[in-house]
Amino acid sequence: AQKVTQAQTEISVVEKEDVTLDCVYETRDTTYYLFWYKQPPSGELVFLIRRNSFDEQNEISGRYSWNFQKSTSSFNFTITASQVVDSAVYFCALSEEILTGGGNKLTFGTGTQLKVEL
Amino acid sequence: DGGITQSPKYLFRKEGQNVTLSCEQNLNHDAMYWYRQDPGQGLRLIYYSQIVNDFQKGDIAEGYSVSREKKESFPLTVTSAQKNPTAFYLCASRGGSVPGANVLTFGAGSRLTVL
Repeated sequence: AQKVTQAQTEISVVEKEDVTLDCVYETRDTTYYLFWYKQPPSGELVFLIRRNSFDEQNEISGRYSWNFQKSTSSFNFTITASQVVDSAVYFCALSEEILTGGGNKLTFGTGTQLKVEL
Repeated sequence: DGGITQSPKYLFRKEGQNVTLSCEQNLNHDAMYWYRQDPGQGLRLIYYSQIVNDFQKGDIAEGYSVSREKKESFPLTVTSAQKNPTAFYLCASRGGSVPGANVLTFGAGSRLTVL
């Protein structure tokens, strides 16, 4: 069974600090996709990044960076110089390759609440 | 702008009543999904639909029903059989031809409270 673990329930930082959100996954598939979504207080999940299992290159997008390591089944997310607007719940998710009858079933972690204070 | 519209945003229900949550998308996406979010439990899949007039149960379908009569619409009914319906409900859709790879687009959610 697929599983995503986000052990950090809540993290509080002061603005401008760097923060890393951890994500550990379990799957038997050799082809899979990993995602990070941001859920601000408004409630809508916003897509941040997708990574397939064959691409272990780290990625940087502005203040955001992602570290994918298959050897440790981890896909960690770092925010550099955090800002108050980064305050949200962040979800890591794992996608099964193909479901019976088709489908894109995402298995979500329980989320990490990030609070950035002035 | 293309997107997903969920309504109502807040809904209160008395025990024993059925309620229907609306989800409409204008993204021309084939697949649509309903997730339930509870504090500390992440998102769990209720139902999903790949094409019109077809849908499959997710992990927690008991007490829920759906229909997919139009490509744009995927309403969710929370029936009186759902023992603990108070939650935040999120609708999503997906386009593209590679199910595992494609990004889900989410609506803003509907918060249901049972009084």
